[in-house]
Amino acid sequence: EDQVTQSPEALRLQEGESSSLNCSYTVSGLRGLFWYRQDPGKGPEFLFTLYSAGEEKEKERLKATLTKKESFLHITAPKPEDSATYLCAVHPNPRISNFGNEKLTFGTGTRLTIIP
Amino acid sequence: DGGITQSPKYLFRKEGQNVTLSCEQNLNHDAMYWYRQDPGQGLRLIYYSQIVNDFQKGDIAEGYSVSREKKESFPLTVTSAQKNPTAFYLCATGDWTSTDTQYFGPGTRLTVL
Repeated sequence: EDQVTQSPEALRLQEGESSSLNCSYTVSGLRGLFWYRQDPGKGPEFLFTLYSAGEEKEKERLKATLTKKESFLHITAPKPEDSATYLCAVHPNPRISNFGNEKLTFGTGTRLTIIP
Repeated sequence: DGGITQSPKYLFRKEGQNVTLSCEQNLNHDAMYWYRQDPGQGLRLIYYSQIVNDFQKGDIAEGYSVSREKKESFPLTVTSAQKNPTAFYLCATGDWTSTDTQYFGPGTRLTVL
């Protein structure tokens, strides 16, 4: 069974204080690992997809990295507007698992708060 | 304006009533999904559809029903059999042939009184 575990559950940082969010996963053949940002009362907003170990992607103050067992979302010099819940999800290879069905398995998220 | 629309944004119903949540997309994506989100539990898959006139149960389908008569529409009915229907419901589409990404709508918050 595919599993995604995110840590920590919540993280409070001072503005400008860099840190990392962790997403550990087990999956029978990874097609892709997704990161989303979700603001309270809104739908998740797509950030990145990572496909293979060693891959990195950046967007503004965010950088996502991937290994064979986990992904990290690094946030550099965060600002208050970066406060949100960050969700990680795995997309198993439908040729290997899920009987050909395309569906994601999500973690429970990390709630990030940046204090001015 | 392209995207995924969910209506209404807030919905209140009395216990024992069925209620239908709307999800429409104009992205021309084949796959559509319904998730339920509760505090501390992340996103749980209710139903999904990979093609018109076909759909599959997700992890928590009991008490819910769907239809997929048109590519653009994937309505979710929360029936009276659902024991704890109060939650935030999210509709999503999947583009697995081009951008290889799942996109989410704005959500509907259902409160059962």
